[in-house]
Amino acid sequence: GNSVTQMEGPVTLSEEAFLTINCTYTATGYPSLFWYVQYPGEGLQLLLKATKADDKGSNKGFEATYRKETTSFHLEKGSVQVSDSAVYFCALTRTGGGNKLTFGTGTQLKVEL
Amino acid sequence: EAGVAQSPRYKIIEKRQSVAFWCNPISGHATLYWYQQILGQGPKLLIQFQNNGVVDDSQLPKDRFSAERLKGVDSTLKIQPAKLEDSAVYLCASSHGTSGSYNEQFFGPGTRLTVL
Repeated sequence: GNSVTQMEGPVTLSEEAFLTINCTYTATGYPSLFWYVQYPGEGLQLLLKATKADDKGSNKGFEATYRKETTSFHLEKGSVQVSDSAVYFCALTRTGGGNKLTFGTGTQLKVEL
Repeated sequence: EAGVAQSPRYKIIEKRQSVAFWCNPISGHATLYWYQQILGQGPKLLIQFQNNGVVDDSQLPKDRFSAERLKGVDSTLKIQPAKLEDSAVYLCASSHGTSGSYNEQFFGPGTRLTVL
């Protein structure tokens, strides 16, 4: 079946540090890949997505590249801010899967001054 | 544009009691989803509606959970009777459709259920 594995948290960084959150997936066919973010007290928001191999999704300084050869979709940001503190979820939908999202367990990011 | 609305935001009940959650999707969105998010886990799809029809309820525990979307707009998720392991955040999401550029899911703030 489909599954998503992401690095455990919490990840604690100083402001302006470089961020990487690892995500790997298992899926049949050609999934679409997503990163969602959940700020404290708020609902999940789509951060970025990629729908085919070698696509790069980007938003708000965050980037992730769809790597089919390594089945990965790692999230990166060059310089994090305190306001980036949140829980980040990697997810996929399978082609022909009716748009059902399969999520990883989430990685909490804490950014300190 | 108003987002996905959910109520209540918090609910505390005792085991074996009943509870219902309500969701109003973004206007015009045909597809509605209910997810269960247990603490420390990612959300898991319980049921997906397309208009007022069920598309996927394969992970819905049908002996105690039920959901409806009678007029193809808002939806209710019910648990009867509740068990301790039902303690979770219940998320509602909606999308225009399920393919191409219309498949982005927008999430509500969730209902946090605690079963004692």
